[in-house]
Amino acid sequence: ETGVTQSPTHLIKTRGQQVTLRCSSQSGHNTVSWYQQALGQGPQFIFQYYREEENGRGNFPPRFSGLQFPNYSSELNVNALELDDSALYLCASSLVGQGHYEQYFGPGTRLTVT
Amino acid sequence: AQSVTQPDIHITVSEGASLELRCNYSYGATPYLFWYVQSPGQGLQLLLKYFSGDTLVQGIKGFEAEFKRSQSSFNLRKPSVHWSDAAEYFCAVGLSGGYQKVTFGIGTKLQVIP
Repeated sequence: ETGVTQSPTHLIKTRGQQVTLRCSSQSGHNTVSWYQQALGQGPQFIFQYYREEENGRGNFPPRFSGLQFPNYSSELNVNALELDDSALYLCASSLVGQGHYEQYFGPGTRLTVT
Repeated sequence: AQSVTQPDIHITVSEGASLELRCNYSYGATPYLFWYVQSPGQGLQLLLKYFSGDTLVQGIKGFEAEFKRSQSSFNLRKPSVHWSDAAEYFCAVGLSGGYQKVTFGIGTKLQVIP
């Protein structure tokens, strides 16, 4: 059983650019959530995808968007990058339908916007 | 909306001493409660979870937590801390229905001194 993986590990972008972060869910999981963790803060929920549809969103603007693919891998896209987007981006996969849910986190992608 | 408070940003304990990390939550119904640990530059690892039933929950690495509904608390404890426990600890609350939005506290950074 493979865990949650994310790529790339680190990324440096310039303000105004666009970025795509990738996540591969744990085998058998059908749900992926994305979180933003700014320095010194707890993770903040961005959104969640279930069966390729967004089914929940936190307080993030529309320039944060995502995709989930049939193999349950996913992407987080951020347009028009701002300096405040610099953070650790975490994805977490889980299996909805068991009645209880546990989210398994990847190691994260560290995004720096200059 | 649910929220989580971790009143201690930074705690220092001696190796071998007992540990208690505090967590208070705000949520209208019975929540799902979690404790995660994050080592520097790493993702989050689930220590333990509470969904229902016995209010004293055992987790990995010798940790336990007790759910106290009357106090809206879910404090994490360990009887004897090891140097390898130095990390950041996050308490989190999840919705008990709907999509799996998890709200995290700001975290408590644990320092262990010899």
